[in-house]
Amino acid sequence: SAVISQKPSRDICQRGTSLTIQCQVDSQVTMMFWYRQQPGQSLTLIATANQGSEATYESGFVIDKFPISRPNLTFSTLTVSNLSPEDSSIYLCSAFAGTSAYEQYFGPGTRLTVT
Amino acid sequence: DQQVKQNSPSLSVQEGRISILNCDYTNSMFDYFLWYKKYPAEGPTFLISISSIKDKNEDGRFTVFLNKSAKHLSLHIVPSQPGDSAVYFCAGSGGGADGLTFGKGTHLIIQP
Repeated sequence: SAVISQKPSRDICQRGTSLTIQCQVDSQVTMMFWYRQQPGQSLTLIATANQGSEATYESGFVIDKFPISRPNLTFSTLTVSNLSPEDSSIYLCSAFAGTSAYEQYFGPGTRLTVT
Repeated sequence: DQQVKQNSPSLSVQEGRISILNCDYTNSMFDYFLWYKKYPAEGPTFLISISSIKDKNEDGRFTVFLNKSAKHLSLHIVPSQPGDSAVYFCAGSGGGADGLTFGKGTHLIIQP
């Protein structure tokens, strides 16, 4: 399995600002994923990030609000832009890293609170 | 439209007994199902998975059963231990490059 780390672990941001979350994997992976977990809700896929190509966004998520970078095979960033209180969530990154192509391993998450 | 449903928000089980967590799905395109365990302030931890062409997969104390005709799967934990107290998420995958579709989770509480 892979070890996935995220920075920051938590942050409190003001409305209208942006937060960039970093995700680092300890091995090279083709695909990385970004999820959001709103309070009391399930994990929802935001986008899939392949190295060397544009991220693919799920319905309801747009690049202007959630720009993603994937500069190499071990690193990705997610920016949450123009923050509003509704963006207060836990943001998690993941990657395929198990014995099968379906097993995703997750980072510890970034808890964002927007005031 | 919730494609993966976990209808029990919480479940309390006595230590040593069997814990059974249930999950229903509506998307027939899922060809792989996974269970994750999550402690507070941590990311989900992969537990066990099952391909849609199988009806059972076992790994130590954890067994996942899949009833494809009923679009239902269950996770059995036996015997239950105090460290099993966590939120358990069921997830489906359409395969390949797809991300995962998660249920809302079941909070399992193991009573001493």
